[in-house]
Amino acid sequence: GENVEQHPSTLSVQEGDSAVIKCTYSDSASNYFPWYKQELGKGPQLIIDIRSNVGEKKDQRIAVTLNKTAKHFSLHITETQPEDSAVYFCAAFISGNTPLVFGKGTRLSVIA
Amino acid sequence: DAGVIQSPRHEVTEMGQEVTLRCKPISGHNSLFWYRQTMMRGLELLIYFNNNVPIDDSGMPEDRFSAKMPNASFSTLKIQPSEPRDSAVYFCASCSGGWAEAFFGQGTRLTVV
Repeated sequence: GENVEQHPSTLSVQEGDSAVIKCTYSDSASNYFPWYKQELGKGPQLIIDIRSNVGEKKDQRIAVTLNKTAKHFSLHITETQPEDSAVYFCAAFISGNTPLVFGKGTRLSVIA
Repeated sequence: DAGVIQSPRHEVTEMGQEVTLRCKPISGHNSLFWYRQTMMRGLELLIYFNNNVPIDDSGMPEDRFSAKMPNASFSTLKIQPSEPRDSAVYFCASCSGGWAEAFFGQGTRLTVV
């Protein structure tokens, strides 16, 4: 089955700097890659996603890139703010009625 | 819609007791997932349903765990008997299938003492 590896497990950045989180996946059939943000005491929430027919997608300060050949995808957060502090999860999905497979998460701390 | 609703939010129980976690998915969603979150293992998929039918329960750790979905608006995850190592946050999520976004509930924090 699919396996998703996520790095780093923890990341600290100064406010205003950029943060990058990287994930790799094993199953070349995966074609949908969402990113979730989990704040303390809450369930994960989708923040951005990318499909296999797209190499990059941007939404304000957040961007995702996908390299299907290398089977890796990344989340980029620019101009980080304290409210970006959370745990971020990447996931991979094979179309059909299969569940998302999540990475182990990255705890991002933005230091003011 | 109020989103995915889980109850209780917190549960503290003694080892050996039966625990039942409840989930109400978003109306119209035909897929439902139960995840367990721990520091060591992250988010683990326990079981998922499609159109109320269990599709894959290979993630259920032991026979002590069971899940049901009697109708499209309700699911339960039961642990009997509970053990301290079952302590974790349990999430329910639902989606409308395909490439659709999975919506998570607020989770149930289970502590078995």
